[in-house]
Amino acid sequence: SSELTQDPAVSVALGQTVRITCQGDSLRNYYASWYQQKSGQAPVLVIYGKNDRPSGIPDRFSGSSSGNTASLTITGAQAEDEADYYCSSRDISDDWVFGGGTKLTVL
Amino acid sequence: EVHLVESGGGLEQPGGSLRLSCAATGFTFSNYNMNWVRQAPGKGLEWVSYITSDSGAIYYADSVKGRFTISRDNAKNSLYLQINSLRADDTAVYFCARAVAGSYRSYYYYYMDVWGKGTTVTVSS
Repeated sequence: SSELTQDPAVSVALGQTVRITCQGDSLRNYYASWYQQKSGQAPVLVIYGKNDRPSGIPDRFSGSSSGNTASLTITGAQAEDEADYYCSSRDISDDWVFGGGTKLTVL
Repeated sequence: EVHLVESGGGLEQPGGSLRLSCAATGFTFSNYNMNWVRQAPGKGLEWVSYITSDSGAIYYADSVKGRFTISRDNAKNSLYLQINSLRADDTAVYFCARAVAGSYRSYYYYYMDVWGKGTTVTVSS
């Protein structure tokens, strides 16, 4: 199965913009989905498809894709956005794959 | 309201077996494909297995092939994961998640829009 690569950790000042990236061959054929996971909780879907947000997800979360790279952008990061973020997609063998996760710190 | 509730986790010895269950409420379970995802302590998310709505297609991660069996009972709105030959590295929180697919122009996309809170499996002697 293919792999998705994320930076292990990223930090952002309160109210600033941060981009979390995800690289992998499968992203040339599939849009990534993005999940937020706070400590001790289940993951929550924040972005799917081209750039869609589930109901209840703030519009400061957005997604984009280019080539083999998908990005999750948080515009005006809030303290409550501090969490682990995972990208995911399927691959050509129909398996699902997650990135290793990015720990976001809001300073 | 849409809910998934996992159960069946616990402490088991290496080589033992467990059967995890996931009860679905608030949606038409038989219309949806489903996933199992696990998370070892302090580690990231790992996809485990996927089953289509009619059980017609099933996939497993290489790390669990031959030991794990996914199944579902649409009449009972339930998803299952049979885990055999347990190993220490199977220790994790196991989540069930609803799987959805879509397309936009030439791109397909797949995502998990509803997750349970997870059930903990600990493998230790």
